[in-house]
Amino acid sequence: KNEVEQSPQNLTAQEGEFITINCSYSVGISALHWLQQHPGGGIVSLFMLSSGKKKHGRLIATINIQEKHSSLHITASHPRDSAVYICAVKADKLIFGTGTRLQVFP
Amino acid sequence: ETGVTQTPRHLVMGMTNKKSLKCEQHLGHNAMYWYKQSAKKPLELMFVYSLEERVENNSVPSRFSPECPNSSHLFLHLHTLQPEDSALYLCASSQAQFNYGYTFGSGTRLTVV
Repeated sequence: KNEVEQSPQNLTAQEGEFITINCSYSVGISALHWLQQHPGGGIVSLFMLSSGKKKHGRLIATINIQEKHSSLHITASHPRDSAVYICAVKADKLIFGTGTRLQVFP
Repeated sequence: ETGVTQTPRHLVMGMTNKKSLKCEQHLGHNAMYWYKQSAKKPLELMFVYSLEERVENNSVPSRFSPECPNSSHLFLHLHTLQPEDSALYLCASSQAQFNYGYTFGSGTRLTVV
């Protein structure tokens, strides 16, 4: 069992829908990252958070340290949001989830 | 561009070839990393360099040989690879080891034939 589990593994949505991606972890952490990977391969850091909630544009990330759970929300989804979203936790090193593949159709 | 540049973007090599992957960052970061990303698997940490010194080697086969000549450049030298080594190889850097400003390159897609 991975120390970082994401759900769902695959997600399809219609443009405009509200999206939620979940991340659960089983180790003690000091921070959690949400990353976005486009088909070209490059990875972009969306958020790093250690408590509460962060918002950037249409993206919102929340973390509950007691429950060892984080969610990434996308409001008013758009086809350009199609990508793989990866959760990574910072323990003694970064531990990555396997990612959630999101496809948003027009 | 994220500030971390990897070359080449794509590489096809035979099992007897020797090639090198290059990573360059001018973000002023002190830590650099090589990761391997295979299909359906989480990113696997291969090597960590902090202040040009290798601080972690995650049981990577000796056919992968890293080199960090200075804080801005990182290489991954490849020789006698196997087909199962085909993957996306990602370089990353951060201000300090596993710390703030974690930035990835676009990766090199390696195919071993």
